[in-house]
Amino acid sequence: SAVISQKPSRDICQRGTSLTIQCQVDSQVTMMFWYRQQPGQSLTLIATANQGSEATYESGFVIDKFPISRPNLTFSTLTVSNMSPEDSSIYLCSVNLGTSDEAFFGQGTRLTVV
Amino acid sequence: AQSVTQPDIHITVSEGASLELRCNYSYGATPYLFWYVQSPGQGLQLLLKYFSGDTLVQGIKGFEAEFKRSQSSFNLRKPSVHWSDAAEYFCAVGFYSSASKIIFGSGTRLSIRP
Repeated sequence: SAVISQKPSRDICQRGTSLTIQCQVDSQVTMMFWYRQQPGQSLTLIATANQGSEATYESGFVIDKFPISRPNLTFSTLTVSNMSPEDSSIYLCSVNLGTSDEAFFGQGTRLTVV
Repeated sequence: AQSVTQPDIHITVSEGASLELRCNYSYGATPYLFWYVQSPGQGLQLLLKYFSGDTLVQGIKGFEAEFKRSQSSFNLRKPSVHWSDAAEYFCAVGFYSSASKIIFGSGTRLSIRP
């Protein structure tokens, strides 16, 4: 299994500002994933972050809005840029330990943009 | 395109009654299949997973699911629900060819009638 720590756990931010969310894993993993869960909705994959390469973004998500860093095999950050109220969501970091393993999730970052 | 469908948005069952939550997927090969549960204000918990082999898989909390290749389905069942089972249930699919990313269905909210 994997233990994932996310910081911050929640934040209230002003529109137009940016927030960087940190994700720390207790073991080395090749791929990390960032999801968004809007209020009352399911999880939507934002991007896949591989160490040493550019993140791969899903349709509807762009690097300018959600820049991702992956400096090593245990850490990643997601930045939500130029925030608007529509960005109010829970953002979750996830890892797989292998191609057929389950996804392990952090507790999420609850973001409210006012 | 790869997709996961949970046709039931909200289901209400009486305590002690049986439960079946539906999940269908669209993919050219056999995917990896998961069911997750999310209680209000809580993180995601894996109930069960299917990778290969026996198509009937047992999970935690008395849940089971059956993979039916001919129907592209992975329905979740429980013979007798408890009030504590009230939560949001997500079917998820992992696609090996897509670098292990996992796609979530839209979720089914389960309510329990006393």
